[in-house]
Amino acid sequence: LAKTTQPISMDSYEGQEVNITCSHNNIATNDYITWYQQFPSQGPRFIIQGYKTKVTNEVASLFIPADRKSSTLSLPRVSLSDTAVYYCLVGPRGNNDMRFGAGTRLTVKP
Amino acid sequence: GAGVSQSPSNKVTEKGKDVELRCDPISGHTALYWYRQSLGQGLEFLIYFQGNSAPDKSGLPSDRFSAERTGGSVSTLTIQRTQQEDSAVYLCASSLRGEGTEAFFGQGTRLTVV
Repeated sequence: LAKTTQPISMDSYEGQEVNITCSHNNIATNDYITWYQQFPSQGPRFIIQGYKTKVTNEVASLFIPADRKSSTLSLPRVSLSDTAVYYCLVGPRGNNDMRFGAGTRLTVKP
Repeated sequence: GAGVSQSPSNKVTEKGKDVELRCDPISGHTALYWYRQSLGQGLEFLIYFQGNSAPDKSGLPSDRFSAERTGGSVSTLTIQRTQQEDSAVYLCASSLRGEGTEAFFGQGTRLTVV
């Protein structure tokens, strides 16, 4: 599976847009990029998944450049409740071998 | 139930005792995972079951750890001769293979070895 690299932590303020970038230089042709969010004392939950270009849902947007060697999770207008750890995973769709990295700990301040 | 269920939610055990942690995946999900998460740390992969295939046990930290999945549904993670360093939250997740890599996690079992 492609290895991923994310910032360990990020700080933001309420109402700002937050962009978390994940590097995956050795991503394979059939790999998808998936992001999970984990609140304290809870299991992770799926946020968004994409293969190329841009994907948007009610929670976030995922931007993937043409070379797919990185991806950016964008959270619009964050609130205090968005404080969580965000994990980037890369792997073939349907291959459920999921190994999480350390993730990015996002802290949203008032 | 609609989600992944884990039991017990909390377990305190004495060092040296064996413990069993249970996971009930979402009905119909063929893939099941176990993870360990120590305080403030990321998720450590332990084991992965996919249908009737041999499980991927490459993440199990020692031979004191084992897991089984009966009938392709319920899974039990067993830790023998528990040590204090085994204290952590043990998370289980399941997913429907072929439908993307979205996995659904349970609330976890918080294990404390005293």
